[in-house]
Amino acid sequence: EAGVAQSPRYKIIEKRQSVAFWCNPISGHATLYWYQQILGQGPKLLIQFQNNGVVDDSQLPKDRFSAERLKGVDSTLKIQPAKLEDSAVYLCASSDGTVGYSDTQYFGPGTRLTVL
Amino acid sequence: EDQVTQSPEALRLQEGESSSLNCSYTVSGLRGLFWYRQDPGKGPEFLFTLYSAGEEKEKERLKATLTKKESFLHITAPKPEDSATYLCAVPYNTDKLIFGTGTRLQVFP
Repeated sequence: EAGVAQSPRYKIIEKRQSVAFWCNPISGHATLYWYQQILGQGPKLLIQFQNNGVVDDSQLPKDRFSAERLKGVDSTLKIQPAKLEDSAVYLCASSDGTVGYSDTQYFGPGTRLTVL
Repeated sequence: EDQVTQSPEALRLQEGESSSLNCSYTVSGLRGLFWYRQDPGKGPEFLFTLYSAGEEKEKERLKATLTKKESFLHITAPKPEDSATYLCAVPYNTDKLIFGTGTRLQVFP
C-alpha cells in the first residue's frame, strides 16, 4: 500500500514570496492533516480536513496560510507571503477516519521550507 | 492546559545498554496515546497506540507501557539502527494530536 506522498521535498524562498505544498493521502483515507514541525519541536497541527470539509483550522495563521482539499483527495497548503519564522518542515498525514479520536495518523516525508 | 512532556530530551546509549523513555501528559480523559519514531529528514513513523492504563505493546526491541499519568518506551538491548527521535502524542478535543518535543536517541556500537 502506497504511503502519504508530498512534494516538493525541499523549498528555499525569499521572505515575502509565496510557496505551495502538495499532499496525496493514502488511498481511501477520509481525514487529512497538515502539521508544521519547527526544528527541535514536535509537529503542531495547522489544519484538519474530513473529506473536503475543514474540521479544525484554529491554529492556521489565516492571514498568510491557506489550504484546500478539492474532491476530498489531494490537498494543497499555501503560504503567501512567507516570513522567516515559517522556516520549518511541513508534514501531511492521513487517517481512515473510521474511529475518530483514536485513528492512527500516517505521515508523509514532509517538505522542508527555508525562508531567507 | 493540555500538555505532553517527554524526557530526557536526548539519550546516548552503548549498543546493548537498555533504557527507558518517558512521556507524561496532563490531558483529561485520555483517549489513547501514540508513539512514533522519526528519522532525520523523514516523517514520523507509527509505532504503537495504547488505550488504557496497564496496557503494554511490543515490537522487536521496543515495549510501550501506559499508566494513568505517563507512558514509557522501554528499549531492550538497543542497536545503532534504533537511533532516532521518539515522539509521543495524545488526542485532545476530537482527534487532534498534541505532540511532545521528543527524545533524541543515539545508540553507539
